[in-house]
Amino acid sequence: DTGVSQDPRHKITKRGQNVTFRCDPISEHNRLYWYRQTLGQGPEFLTYFQNEAQLEKSRLLSDRFSAERPKGSFSTLEIQRTEQGDSAMYLCASSAVTVYNEQFFGPGTRLTVL
Amino acid sequence: GQQVMQIPQYQHVQEGEDFTTYCNSSTTLSNIQWYKQRPGGHPVFLIQLVKSGEVKKQKRLTFQFGEAKKNSSLHITATQTTDVGTYFCAGPPGNQFYFGTGTSLTVIP
Repeated sequence: DTGVSQDPRHKITKRGQNVTFRCDPISEHNRLYWYRQTLGQGPEFLTYFQNEAQLEKSRLLSDRFSAERPKGSFSTLEIQRTEQGDSAMYLCASSAVTVYNEQFFGPGTRLTVL
Repeated sequence: GQQVMQIPQYQHVQEGEDFTTYCNSSTTLSNIQWYKQRPGGHPVFLIQLVKSGEVKKQKRLTFQFGEAKKNSSLHITATQTTDVGTYFCAGPPGNQFYFGTGTSLTVIP
């Protein structure tokens, strides 16, 4: 499978715990995005990497959220001290630098905070 | 802050009827993209529009970018049950990428 993969697909955690999600983009894509999506809403931009550089962070990304892309390949999104309001689908997307800048989305990680 | 609104939020149509969703941005967009998300799925890229006033067609789908590059529309002719899903517009004013609120389309056979 040469698409975007995310791990885990589902995560249930208790409030206050830390969680980490992984995204493996399409191998030749140098751009990587993280989004959060809640039921009935569009994806909310969280952060954007070009290669290993984090070029943009949403104001939605509080100090409890951190993302890395250490070697310009896979990326991780960590949420510390989870809150019930963090329950959502976390989507990763990647794209190449082309005319269309088409984003390819992974299947997402569904987080439930109890 | 940047806002991208879509109307309507929901649309139910009989199979064979036409469907249109409208996208409005509070700021000028360098380009606009459209995505479709099936129930339980992830967004899938449909098209990108770049030029002011641009119109593109994909079979039964017609996409338009406004002259001021702040609005866009997607029109589906003669809907089919395979068109069911939520349609999002999305635009990048810079490196951030804002998705619209989405229009959920239900097609009644």
